[in-house]
This record gives sequence, C-alpha cells and structure tokens, in this order.
Amino acid sequence: EAGVAQSPRYKIIEKRQSVAFWCNPISGHATLYWYQQILGQGPKLLIQFQNNGVVDDSQLPKDRFSAERLKGVDSTLKIQPAKLEDSAVYLCASSPNRGRTGELFFGEGSRLTVL
Amino acid sequence: ELKVEQNPLFLSMQEGKNYTIYCNYSTTSDRLYWYRQDPGKSLESLFVLLSNGAVKQEGRLMASLDTKARLSTLHITAAVHDLSATYFCAVISSGSARQLTFGSGTQLTVLP
Repeated sequence: EAGVAQSPRYKIIEKRQSVAFWCNPISGHATLYWYQQILGQGPKLLIQFQNNGVVDDSQLPKDRFSAERLKGVDSTLKIQPAKLEDSAVYLCASSPNRGRTGELFFGEGSRLTVL
Repeated sequence: ELKVEQNPLFLSMQEGKNYTIYCNYSTTSDRLYWYRQDPGKSLESLFVLLSNGAVKQEGRLMASLDTKARLSTLHITAAVHDLSATYFCAVISSGSARQLTFGSGTQLTVLP
C-alpha cells in the first residue's frame, strides 16, 4: 500500500513570495490533515478535511494560508505572502476513519525555508 | 483548549539503562498516541492507547495510560543506540472535530 505522498520535499523562498505544497493521501482515506512543525516543536494542526469539506481550520492563518481538497482526494496548501516565521516542515497526514480520528499516517513532509 | 506536556524534553542515557518519558494532558480524552520521529523523517506510529489502564509493549518500549490522572508513560528498557530519536505523545480532543494535539517531544539520545 502506497503511503502519503508530498511534494516538493524542500523549498527555499524569500519572504513575501508564495509557495504551494501538494499532498496525495493513502487511497480511500476520507480524512486529510495539514500540520506545521517548527524545528524543535511538536506538529501543530493547520487544517482538517473530511472528504472535500473543512472540519477544522481554526489554527490556519487565513490572511496568508489557504488550503483546498478538490474531489476529496489530493490537497494543496498555499502560503502567500510568506513570512520568516513560516519556515517549518509541513506535514500531510491521512486517516481512514470517517467521522472519528483514528490512527494518522504521515507523509515525509515538505521543508520550507523562508529567507 | 487541550494542552499536552511532555517531560523531559531532552534525555541522554547510556545503553542498557532504563528510563521513563511522561506525557500529561489537560482535558478528558479517550485516545492517546505515541509517535517516533527520526531526524529529517516523518512520524511513525508506535502505540495507540484507548482506555484507562491500557498497556502496550513493543520490544524495549512499553506505553501505559492512566486517564484519571491524564498521564501516559513511555518506558524504555535496556536502551540501545537504535532507539535514539524524538518521541511525541499526541492526544485526541473530545470536541466534535476530535483534533490530535501533540506534545513538544522528547529528544532521546542513547550513548554507547
């Protein structure tokens, strides 16, 4: 079974530029999550999708971050414009349990450096 | 708001020794996870603990859950170098969205 796929793995941009990350969850997983992990900290939830609907985006900085999950499969996370403090690893995870949060399966992450 | 605290944040131990990592959480929850993360890698699920008194063991690692005390422990027995990694506990919130909230992690270094 293929795992959660993310791209790009690494991205370096200057502040005020934009960036987009892509995630393909495990086939059949209804729930998809984007987490931000700053160096030395635990992952922090940015947004949670159930199929193509948003379940929780309370911690997403909506003035600069946006995410979508068209057709309930792939998802993209965009940052525009980026700030220095956005430097982090962006982790995508998926879960098979509809309506409940069961075990999460994480991708390798996309490491963003903002200069 | 659910808060998850781990201690210690850094742990350096010699091979063959035993140690325990603690995870406290602030509100009622019915599910707790332990994850391992190697440098530059993603998170690997180690244990899922579902009920009070639950104990799970895999190799040199054993996890337990006390929901009344809102405490989970990850015990390391006779540590080996391969266990060097960062260990996170994560707790499900009781709200409708059932968010998974992570602790800050315990960076474990096992010295020869």
